[in-house]
Amino acid sequence: GENVEQHPSTLSVQEGDSAVIKCTYSDSASNYFPWYKQELGKGPQLIIDIRSNVGEKKDQRIAVTLNKTAKHFSLHITETQPEDSAVYFCAASKSVNQFYFGTGTSLTVIP
Amino acid sequence: DVKVTQSSRYLVKRTGEKVFLECVQDMDHENMFWYRQDPGLGLRLIYFSYDVKMKEKGDIPEGYSVSREKKERFSLILESASTNQTSMYLCASSLADRGNTIYFGEGSWLTVV
Repeated sequence: GENVEQHPSTLSVQEGDSAVIKCTYSDSASNYFPWYKQELGKGPQLIIDIRSNVGEKKDQRIAVTLNKTAKHFSLHITETQPEDSAVYFCAASKSVNQFYFGTGTSLTVIP
Repeated sequence: DVKVTQSSRYLVKRTGEKVFLECVQDMDHENMFWYRQDPGLGLRLIYFSYDVKMKEKGDIPEGYSVSREKKERFSLILESASTNQTSMYLCASSLADRGNTIYFGEGSWLTVV
């Protein structure tokens, strides 16, 4: 089955700096790659996603890049703010009921 | 906005009790899911339902069952709760024809003592 690895597991950045979280996947049939943000005590919220026919997608301070050949995708957060502090999960999916999640990155933005 | 509601946020149950976790979504989604979230293990799929009364086992179905009698409601049942089922349970839903985007509820924290 699919194997999704996520790095780093923890990340601390100064407010205003950029944060990058990386994921790799193993199944070349995976074609959809969402990113979720989970705040303490809450469920994961979709923040951005990308499909395999696109190399990059941006939404304000958040961007995701996908390298299908290398089977890796990354989340980029620019101009980080304290409210960006949360756990971020990547996922890879090839069908409606086959989602494989990374183990999460705990991001801390230091004011 | 998509709304997935898990009615019980925090539960404490005794070993051997029958536990029901309820989930309701208000966006007419065909697909509904139950995941379990544990530190270091990420999210693991327990059961998936693609229609009323239809269900498929996920990666860790042992010790769990589900019920989907109405499109908007998906219940997770622990027939005889055990301490190793102490966890955060997440319900999610998605449309069948909108690709694979899934939306999560706020989660139910279950402690079995």
